[in-house]
Amino acid sequence: EAQVTQNPRYLITVTGKKLTVTCSQNMNHEYMSWYRQDPGLGLRQIYYSMNVEVTDKGDVPEGYKVSRKEKRNFPLILESPSPNQTSLYFCASSRRDSSYEQYFGPGTRLTVT
Amino acid sequence: GQQVMQIPQYQHVQEGEDFTTYCNSSTTLSNIQWYKQRPGGHPVFLIQLVKSGEVKKQKRLTFQFGEAKKNSSLHITATQTTDVGTYFCAGRGFYGQNFVFGPGTRLSVLP
Repeated sequence: EAQVTQNPRYLITVTGKKLTVTCSQNMNHEYMSWYRQDPGLGLRQIYYSMNVEVTDKGDVPEGYKVSRKEKRNFPLILESPSPNQTSLYFCASSRRDSSYEQYFGPGTRLTVT
Repeated sequence: GQQVMQIPQYQHVQEGEDFTTYCNSSTTLSNIQWYKQRPGGHPVFLIQLVKSGEVKKQKRLTFQFGEAKKNSSLHITATQTTDVGTYFCAGRGFYGQNFVFGPGTRLSVLP
């Protein structure tokens, strides 16, 4: 089954404790992306990757890091989480053709206290 | 930078009524996508529009792309309870590789 998986699905952590949210897709997609979703703001892109070892900032990259060492994986790293990073995070992937139809993972709800 | 707005923010309709959400971009778009997110779920791709003035239909859903490629609309005819959710538009400019999402329109359908 074609899918995007994220782990963990729920996470409660404390300020400053480094964490990683994993994202994996099994569709051989070149393009992968991370979004955060906050009430009234929709989905805002954090980082995206056009292919292995190629990443670029989205609209809200501050406080986040990403890496793309393998085509299927695109982890999101919060080196020193802060309460304003409490949000719902989605990973997405798509082919790099004219369609760019994005397939989203189930989401990770992060709470930073 | 590119901004995408949607109106209304919320819409409550009686089952069987029609529903329309509008999407407006601050810049001309290369293409626009629409997604639906059910409560507690993740966004699911509905459709992409590419051509100026394009109209596409999916059963009771009609999507339009404006002539100037700066606005779009999604119209649902005779809403059903299964239409409940938040509808997002996402626009891509000509020089970027990423899509900018609008804030979404949350649709409630009363049976």
